[in-house]
Amino acid sequence: DTAVSQTPKYLVTQMGNDKSIKCEQNLGHDTMYWYKQDSKKFLKIMFSYNNKELIINETVPNRFSPKSPDKAHLNLHINSLELGDSAVYFCASTTGQGGSPLHFGNGTRLTVT
Amino acid sequence: QQQVKQSPQSLIVQKGGISIINCAYENTAFDYFPWYQQFPGKGPALLIAIRPDVSEKKEGRFTISFNKSAKQFSLHIMDSQPGDSATYFCAASITGTASKLTFGTGTRLQVTL
Repeated sequence: DTAVSQTPKYLVTQMGNDKSIKCEQNLGHDTMYWYKQDSKKFLKIMFSYNNKELIINETVPNRFSPKSPDKAHLNLHINSLELGDSAVYFCASTTGQGGSPLHFGNGTRLTVT
Repeated sequence: QQQVKQSPQSLIVQKGGISIINCAYENTAFDYFPWYQQFPGKGPALLIAIRPDVSEKKEGRFTISFNKSAKQFSLHIMDSQPGDSATYFCAASITGTASKLTFGTGTRLQVTL
């Protein structure tokens, strides 16, 4: 019973391609996030959705576009992939108020060649 | 701008020893300070958290010490075990609907036999 599941787990693609990562949570949470973890393990927030509404949009290239079809799903589409996009992307969810634990998925390792 | 500074970057402790990881923050509006534990190939998972109205919180072998005036908090792992070997992240956030966790840079802990 995975609480936050991401697919795919691994993604290898060439520069210039477009790819998507999917995320689903079965915790009934209202808020979902995308975080990027670089090769030095640094975790940086990218986007947050609350009840399908975008509430946090950090300084991320507009090649990255999140989409939330419902509050249990948050997908990430990346256009024109670049070498620097190689990282591990984590989806997370929480109840929506600060002070509640973030539940992370196990990540999608994206490698751009 | 690095709002949460974490040290050390890596730490080697013998089994049974005490592991100590330190964090310092800048934003005095932060009111929630969690620690996350991440094993290889997994997403970060909440370990323990504290709010600034208390100076210490203990859960089993894990203790957070909090110094509001110094804007510092630390994680102490007593009787460290090889199974504790992981990357540890401190984080901070402001309670609210658009809450986002700002993570420290991570500490890679290795507990040796």
